[in-house]
Amino acid sequence: RKEVEQDPGPFNVPEGATVAFNCTYSNSASQSFFWYRQDCRKEPKLLMSVYSSGNEDGRFTAQLNRASQYISLLIRDSKLSDSATYLCVVKNQGGKLIFGQGTELSVKP
Amino acid sequence: DGGITQSPKYLFRKEGQNVTLSCEQNLNHDAMYWYRQDPGQGLRLIYYSQIVNDFQKGDIAEGYSVSREKKESFPLTVTSAQKNPTAFYLCASSISMGINTEAFFGQGTRLTVV
Repeated sequence: RKEVEQDPGPFNVPEGATVAFNCTYSNSASQSFFWYRQDCRKEPKLLMSVYSSGNEDGRFTAQLNRASQYISLLIRDSKLSDSATYLCVVKNQGGKLIFGQGTELSVKP
Repeated sequence: DGGITQSPKYLFRKEGQNVTLSCEQNLNHDAMYWYRQDPGQGLRLIYYSQIVNDFQKGDIAEGYSVSREKKESFPLTVTSAQKNPTAFYLCASSISMGINTEAFFGQGTRLTVV
């Protein structure tokens, strides 16, 4: 079983749609959680950290459920510019950053 | 400008040759990481370093070597023992290995071995 698992997609949605990405992790001792965005042939960039109480940044909402070892990212009112691959990232107690395989999102007009 | 610099952006090598990828950061970060990404795949950890003169193997270290002689620099050598070296290589740094410390990436090096 992979340490971090995501639905690879692709998710094809119309502009204005709400889309949710899910991620599960296997190491219950994992300490930190992040969502990164990666555009085609570019480096990943931090989208947001994920806190235990959940957090929101504009149209983006991240949730963490430690009991179920589950992380989610919700994007509301999708824009064409949201098209990218979204990577779930978990940092374990040894400081290793483990990436999921990514979920591809395509927002259509 | 502060950031992480990887060079070169594109690199071509003949099979059987060792090649070293450069990664330099001026962010004063303690932790540095090397990842490999294959088409349509996520990032896989090759090596990471928490501090100067110390580094640990990641999940796919075979066929690779690193050094961390300076805080700013974490070069990766792809040796001839690496069976499938053609990939996108990404270097990242983080202020520390501590919790809630995100990583920042360089622009990557695309290595093609022919």
